[in-house]
Amino acid sequence: KNQVEQSPQSLIILEGKNCTLQCNYTVSPFSNLRWYKQDTGRGPVSLTIMTFSENTKSNGRYTATLDADTKQSSLHITASQLSDSASYICVVRDPSGGSYIPTFGRGTSLIVHP
Amino acid sequence: KAGVTQTPRYLIKTRGQQVTLSCSPISGHRSVSWYQQTPGQGLQFLFEYFSETQRNKGNFPGRFSGRQFSNSRSEMNVSTLELGDSALYLCASSRGQGVGETQYFGPGTRLLVL
Repeated sequence: KNQVEQSPQSLIILEGKNCTLQCNYTVSPFSNLRWYKQDTGRGPVSLTIMTFSENTKSNGRYTATLDADTKQSSLHITASQLSDSASYICVVRDPSGGSYIPTFGRGTSLIVHP
Repeated sequence: KAGVTQTPRYLIKTRGQQVTLSCSPISGHRSVSWYQQTPGQGLQFLFEYFSETQRNKGNFPGRFSGRQFSNSRSEMNVSTLELGDSALYLCASSRGQGVGETQYFGPGTRLLVL
């Protein structure tokens, strides 16, 4: 069964600090890996998307990296802000049978304290 | 441009009842996907519609069904509700159905089954 595992489950950091969230997956092959940010009470918002041939993708203070050999991805947040407090979800698309079903990680809950 | 809208936002039902949730995609978007989000399982893919046709289906029982209308609006129906169906149901729309298309999520419908 295809799986996407995220760590840590939750993280508390001080405003201004950097942090890195991890995503390990078993989906193989995969078409793309996407990171979402989900604020409490709202739907997820796409941060970055990478294909298997890409190593890094940035979106402002968010930088995602991908190592297709080890099947690991990370999301690095630089100079955290209070508004970064949210759940961060990793999603991998499985192209098996042409269906591209998305498999989601359970997310990392990030709390940024002032 | 208006975002994805979902109605109702909150719903309370009892076991055995059925429920219909509605989703209006962003204007011009022809693909609509539905997801279930629970604290225990995280986000799970239900199904995807494009041009009124179901393109992909997740691993959910037949009690979960959906449809898409000619104006791209979509509904999902859950029959014979079970306690475990309590969840946040998210709808997402995209312009096309390409695997790299960015999906835009609505705020969700929170369903509580008693």
